[in-house]
Order: sequence, then structure tokens, then C-alpha cells
Amino acid sequence: GQNIDQPTEMTATEGAIVQINCTYQTSGFNGLFWYQQHAGEAPTFLSYNVLDGLEEKGRFSSFLSRSKGYSYLLLKELQMKDSASYLCAVLDSNYQLIWGAGTKLIIKP
Amino acid sequence: IAGITQAPTSQILAAGRRMTLRCTQDMRHNAMYWYRQDLGLGLRLIHYSNTAGTTGKGEVPDGYSVSRANTDDFPLTLASAVPSQTSVYFCASSPRGQGSYGELFFGEGSRLTVL
Repeated sequence: GQNIDQPTEMTATEGAIVQINCTYQTSGFNGLFWYQQHAGEAPTFLSYNVLDGLEEKGRFSSFLSRSKGYSYLLLKELQMKDSASYLCAVLDSNYQLIWGAGTKLIIKP
Repeated sequence: IAGITQAPTSQILAAGRRMTLRCTQDMRHNAMYWYRQDLGLGLRLIHYSNTAGTTGKGEVPDGYSVSRANTDDFPLTLASAVPSQTSVYFCASSPRGQGSYGELFFGEGSRLTVL
């Protein structure tokens, strides 16, 4: 079966750096997405990786290793507003999006 | 800027009743999707539409139906609601359909409780 694994919850301190990991086992691969979802709100797009390596976008970076079935989202200079769930999703060989259950990130002052 | 509008935002429904969740987008996106989100699970695709006039089944289509009469509207109907359909429902759209990369734009969600 297809599977996306992410930690359920993480805690970090304001101003620090946090890395949220995502491992996947899917039938084929056509890209990996990260979305941010604040409590009670809609998911919003953060990043898309289809090639190995690091994509940087401001305070957020996303890394992909296709050979390892692994990605991470790196958040720098954490702010209280970064408290949210972070969803990892993989586009499989049939171009179906497979979603992880999300990682709830709690930021403490 | 509206984007995607869902209605109602919240609803309590008796089991056995019929319910339609409405979804309208003003971005002229070709593809639209309905997902349900349950605690501890990833988003699960119910139905999708790659373009007006076509629909397809997702991962969990049973008990749900959709229509896509035009580009903007994509209603989701529960013919006879059951308690297991208690969930938060998200409508989403993307410029391109399945088969190509497309960032998803989500509505604010409809929280449905079936008693």
C-alpha cells in the first residue's frame, strides 16, 4: 500500500530552527508537496519538489531525496504564527495525491 | 478576492437526511476536488473533476455524488447521511487537472456533523 509518514506533533522555540520529516512509500513519484494548515483553516501551498535537493523560499526550505523516499521541511527563525499543521503529500505514478496525516507544530515563546 | 467559497461553513444533520455542500470558485480553474479531513488521517479525495462536464471517483466516493455543470460550481451531495460522514469537507481547485502538477487552492471547509 501507499504510505506517507510524518511525526504527529513537534514543539520548538520562537526564533529557533525546526525540521519536519516526511518519508513516503508510493507507487511511483511525480513530485512532493508541503502545505501549511492553521487550526480551523484551509491548507495553503508552501512548496513543491520533484528533483533531488534543497529548494529555499524565504524562511522555509524543502529538501527531497527520491532514492531514500524522504523529504523535510526546514523552518528558520520561527515565529509564533508558524504554529500550524504541516502536511506532506506525494503525487504518485497515477498523478493521485497521497496525503500524510500532518505534523502539528507548536511554537513556544 | 474570493477564490473558493464553500457553504455552509458548519452544519448539524440528522442521519438519513440529504445534504448538499456547495463550492464555487472564481479563478476559472479547470480542475476541482472534494476532500474530507478526519483527525489522525490525511486528506482523502472523495470526487474530482478535471474539467466542466466530467467527474471522477477518488479514494472514498461511496455515499457521495458530485456534478460539474459549469467551470465555477462543484457541489457535493450526501444522498442519505450517516454518522461516519461526520468530517470536515474541503473543496479545492487547480489550474490544471490530474495528470500534471498543479498547486491546489482550498476553500475554508465545511464542518459536517451527522447525528
